[in-house]
Amino acid sequence: GESVGLHLPTLSVQEGDNSIINCAYSNSASDYFIWYKQESGKGPQFIIDIRSNMDKRQGQRVTVLLNKTVKHLSLQIAATQPGDSAVYFCAENVQAGTALIFGKGTTLSVSS
Amino acid sequence: DTGVSQDPRHKITKRGQNVTFRCDPISEHNRLYWYRQTLGQGPEFLTYFQNEAQLEKSRLLSDRFSAERPKGSFSTLEIQRTEQGDSAMYLCASSLHVNEQFFGPGTRLTVL
Repeated sequence: GESVGLHLPTLSVQEGDNSIINCAYSNSASDYFIWYKQESGKGPQFIIDIRSNMDKRQGQRVTVLLNKTVKHLSLQIAATQPGDSAVYFCAENVQAGTALIFGKGTTLSVSS
Repeated sequence: DTGVSQDPRHKITKRGQNVTFRCDPISEHNRLYWYRQTLGQGPEFLTYFQNEAQLEKSRLLSDRFSAERPKGSFSTLEIQRTEQGDSAMYLCASSLHVNEQFFGPGTRLTVL
């Protein structure tokens, strides 16, 4: 089946470091990609999205890169803070507005 | 707080009982989604509505599951004859047209 996967289940960084979380997707028809952050006991929180006609998008302290050639998505977090500790999921849509397909997640741990 | 609310937040039930969950989306959002999340996994799509019309159902949505959105506002998800395998976090999300999906805090179901 078609699914979105993540390269590493866990990532540990020091406060102030830059973090990079990677995701590989398998459906070349996917048009829309989102990164979510999920803290324990809470629902996923939208971080940033990108459409397939773009290869980079920046937000506040976050950047998403999309490489359609190798079907790879990454989330870069600048100056990582302890409050960034959470599970991060990438998700894809074949068509925006329909079902999101999520990967398994990467747990980011930030130590101070 | 995304503005999407879910009730109850926790539900413990015995196998064979029926349960119903409610989701109140962000008020102007026309699309409403249900997902299920088990421990350590990403959310899995169950179904979604555009206004009151149920547009897509996952094969995960067995005949014991039913979802409604009668007036195009709040939605309910009912599980009949619950099984232990139904234990999970049930997440609701809403979106305006085809934009990003905002998730509620979830309802954690435990079937004994």
